[in-house]
Amino acid sequence: NAGVMQNPRHLVRRRGQEARLRCSPMKGHSHVYWYRQLPEEGLKFMVYLQKENIIDESGMPKERFSAEFPKEGPSILRIQQVVRGDSAAYFCASQNDGGTDTQYFGPGTRLTVL
Amino acid sequence: GQNIDQPTEMTATEGAIVQINCTYQTSGFNGLFWYQQHAGEAPTFLSYNVLDGLEEKGRFSSFLSRSKGYSYLLLKELQMKDSASYLCAPWGSARQLTFGSGTQLTVLP
Repeated sequence: NAGVMQNPRHLVRRRGQEARLRCSPMKGHSHVYWYRQLPEEGLKFMVYLQKENIIDESGMPKERFSAEFPKEGPSILRIQQVVRGDSAAYFCASQNDGGTDTQYFGPGTRLTVL
Repeated sequence: GQNIDQPTEMTATEGAIVQINCTYQTSGFNGLFWYQQHAGEAPTFLSYNVLDGLEEKGRFSSFLSRSKGYSYLLLKELQMKDSASYLCAPWGSARQLTFGSGTQLTVLP
């Protein structure tokens, strides 16, 4: 059973460009969470999605950030017009269909904005 | 809101036992998770407590007291590879986990 997959593992963007981060949950999991970890800081919740629905986006910056989890394919976290402060590790975690079990984390995408 | 308090750093010797404490305040409570995170890597699940008491899993044990808002992670027979950050994450009324800043454990030979 493959674990949570994220790609790319490393992403370099220049200021003003767009970043797209992808997350494929574990097989059988339909709940996805995105977390951001700034350098030397703890993990901060961004958004919680189920298939085709955003359940909670209270941790997402109001501008430039969006997330989706389509019926088919991976969940995508999109950051438009990136700035240096967006440089961080972005982790997604998946959870089983009941939504009551452990959240398992993917390897993360390390975004560097030049 | 949620508040989580755990020591920033701890140091212990290989073969020893170390206890990492965590106090928390949450809106609602559905359990508490402990994760291990090595530098530059993803958090990996260690334990989940939903009821009061001690959960033992090999060299790792986790304790929970819901009335006191307190948990600890106990690591026995420390190994060098246990050097990592340990994250206490209470699960409140919201689905997402709230993480503290973590406790950076250094195991010395």
